[in-house]
Amino acid sequence: DIQMTQLPSSLSASVGDRVTITCRASQTATLYLNWYQQKPGKAPKLLIYGASNLQSGVPSRFSGRGSGTDFTLTISSLQPEDFATYYCQQSHSTPWTFGQGTKVEIK
Amino acid sequence: QMQLRESGPGLVKPSETLSLTCTVSGDSINNYYWNWIRQPPGKGLEWIGYIHYTGSTKYNPSLESRVTISLDTSKNHFSLRMTSVTAADTAVYYCARQGTVHYYYSTDVWGQGTTVTVSS
Repeated sequence: DIQMTQLPSSLSASVGDRVTITCRASQTATLYLNWYQQKPGKAPKLLIYGASNLQSGVPSRFSGRGSGTDFTLTISSLQPEDFATYYCQQSHSTPWTFGQGTKVEIK
Repeated sequence: QMQLRESGPGLVKPSETLSLTCTVSGDSINNYYWNWIRQPPGKGLEWIGYIHYTGSTKYNPSLESRVTISLDTSKNHFSLRMTSVTAADTAVYYCARQGTVHYYYSTDVWGQGTTVTVSS
C-alpha cells in the first residue's frame, strides 16, 4: 500500500494568510494525487485532482503542485469558509489511501 | 445534477452483517466507478472498495475477506455488505462516485454519509 503523510496535522492561521499543506507518498503516485476539504458533519469535497487540476466550482485561491512523492496544497488568501480539515489521497494504485488530515483552525 | 444517498440500519450487532445501499439520482449508474469509503468517529478516511459499472470490483485488502460490493442497474443503486462486524467497524459510511482515468480516478460526488454503530 502507498502510505500518505500530511504535514502539519493542524495549523492556526488568520483570514488573508497564505497556507500551504504538504503531502508525501511512501512511493510514487506520479500525478494521481487528489485533495479534499471536509467540514464537520459533512462529506468531503473534491478540490484538486491530478495534483494540480482545479475541480469545477472551486475558488482559484486553491492550488496544487507536485508529482511523484511530494505534493502541496496552497490557499493563497485564507477565507472564513476555508476553516476545515484537508485530506490528500493517492489514486495511483489500489488500495486508494488518504493522508491523516490537516485541520486548519482560526488563529 | 447527480446525487447519492446512503440507506440502511444505523445499528448492527457484533458478529452480524452490515448492509448499506446507495441510491443514485440525476444520472445513470451505467458509467463511472462506485465507491464505499468510511470514517470512524474523530478519525480519517478509509477506502473500502469500488465497483465499476461493468461489474468488476476492487477491495481494500484489509477488508476484502468481509466485504462485497454489488450493483443493480435496474434500480440505479449499488450496495455494500460487510460480514462479521465488530466495534472497529463503527463509522460514517459514504458512497461516492469516482471518475475515470481522465480525472485521475478522483472522487467527485459523495453521499451525505450514514452513521453505523456496531453494538449489542
